[in-house]
Amino acid sequence: DTGVSQNPRHKITKRGQNVTFRCDPISEHNRLYWYRQTLGQGPEFLTYFQNEAQLEKSRLLSDRFSAERPKGSFSTLEIQRTEQGDSAMYLCASSSNRDGVSGANVLTFGAGSRLTVL
Amino acid sequence: GENVEQHPSTLSVQEGDSAVIKCTYSDSASNYFPWYKQELGKRPQLIIDIRSNVGEKKDQRIAVTLNKTAKHFSLHITETQPEDSAVYFCAASSNYQLIWGAGTKLIIKP
Repeated sequence: DTGVSQNPRHKITKRGQNVTFRCDPISEHNRLYWYRQTLGQGPEFLTYFQNEAQLEKSRLLSDRFSAERPKGSFSTLEIQRTEQGDSAMYLCASSSNRDGVSGANVLTFGAGSRLTVL
Repeated sequence: GENVEQHPSTLSVQEGDSAVIKCTYSDSASNYFPWYKQELGKRPQLIIDIRSNVGEKKDQRIAVTLNKTAKHFSLHITETQPEDSAVYFCAASSNYQLIWGAGTKLIIKP
């Protein structure tokens, strides 16, 4: 296990198509996050899983976005009917709340999946 | 909800000088404060963090200070080097959620 893995690294699609990104977190991490980042901005929270349960979803996330983590391991983020405004880097991060130290939520990020919608 | 403000948005320093980036937070329940470094085209990486029961933490040329009363924390980089050029993000957390600052672009002038 060498860290958080995301694929594909790059995706170019036409407007209106569906895309799916996959994230494989660090195996012992029970928390998984999806963020979106555009150039010059900080990571924007999209959604959060603890094990297989999706506990929070940003109000910024339209109903075209859906995320799953069916077995509490890998996660997928699907964007339906893509729009040009969806073009961004989609970052996945994972962490653990099992380290016995309260108040620390150390996120490890994947390299991201860059989406370009033409 | 929590809000984190980060200043400055851009910081240019001469190589070898020190750099200081400041953040303020609004939620007094926040108890964990990480700093991430993001180089162009790469993922954010944790460089240092501090918990609310500590006032200062140092790791080689990097240090973070926390003032809980004033609800602000700062990143200090001494003897800056060209490889320190990046965007730095602060964040604050009281549970599973990290609230991020807007980032500071640090430029190291040769």
